[in-house]
Amino acid sequence: DIQMTQSPSSLSASVGDRVTITCRASQSISTYLNWYQQKPGKAPKLLIYAASTLQSGVPSRFSGSGSGTDFTLTINGLQPEDFATYYCQQKYSMYTFGQGTKLEIK
Amino acid sequence: VQLVQSGGGVVQPGRSLRLSCAASGFAFGDHAMHWVRQTPGKGLEWVGLISYEGGDVFYADYVKGRFTISRDNSENTLHLQMNDLRPEDTAVYYCAREVIIIISAFDYWGQGALVTVSS
Repeated sequence: DIQMTQSPSSLSASVGDRVTITCRASQSISTYLNWYQQKPGKAPKLLIYAASTLQSGVPSRFSGSGSGTDFTLTINGLQPEDFATYYCQQKYSMYTFGQGTKLEIK
Repeated sequence: VQLVQSGGGVVQPGRSLRLSCAASGFAFGDHAMHWVRQTPGKGLEWVGLISYEGGDVFYADYVKGRFTISRDNSENTLHLQMNDLRPEDTAVYYCAREVIIIISAFDYWGQGALVTVSS
């Protein structure tokens, strides 16, 4: 099974900051990597697919990069609505999620 | 697009429960559908998928042989039959629509259904 490891597990930041979340796969997954945002009590929301393509309707301050085993999600200019938990997910071999990164207000 | 779930609740270990997911606003029969669960301890876990026409079904190892995914394309409904439930199956269960845009992703999710397995 492919394991996905996110870092950090939690992160404190301020409105306007630039933040980066990392996701590492236990083996190469090419660009078979999606990112989701989840707010408390809500279902996850697709942000980025295929490592770097923004889902329709997602603000351009979100971006993704990486291939192989190392991936990043970057948010440029944090907005109040961005404080949430973020998950990566691989679709190279079945489906596995990272453990999540909780983004909190500093 | 809407996915409206029903069927969660409290059940004793070893018993069964069935979740449903009613789809609307899109061509249900054109999409594979998935079940994903979420626990505080293990985060998001993929449970299984069913192909668009229902001919192919795949399960995660931890539910294989106990859970069954089915769909009724005439009723636009997805089901998850859970048998021999264990305490570790306690989770919020989500149905999710698969879309293939370069790669497979889950672009719409149900609201979630809490399943608690406890004596």
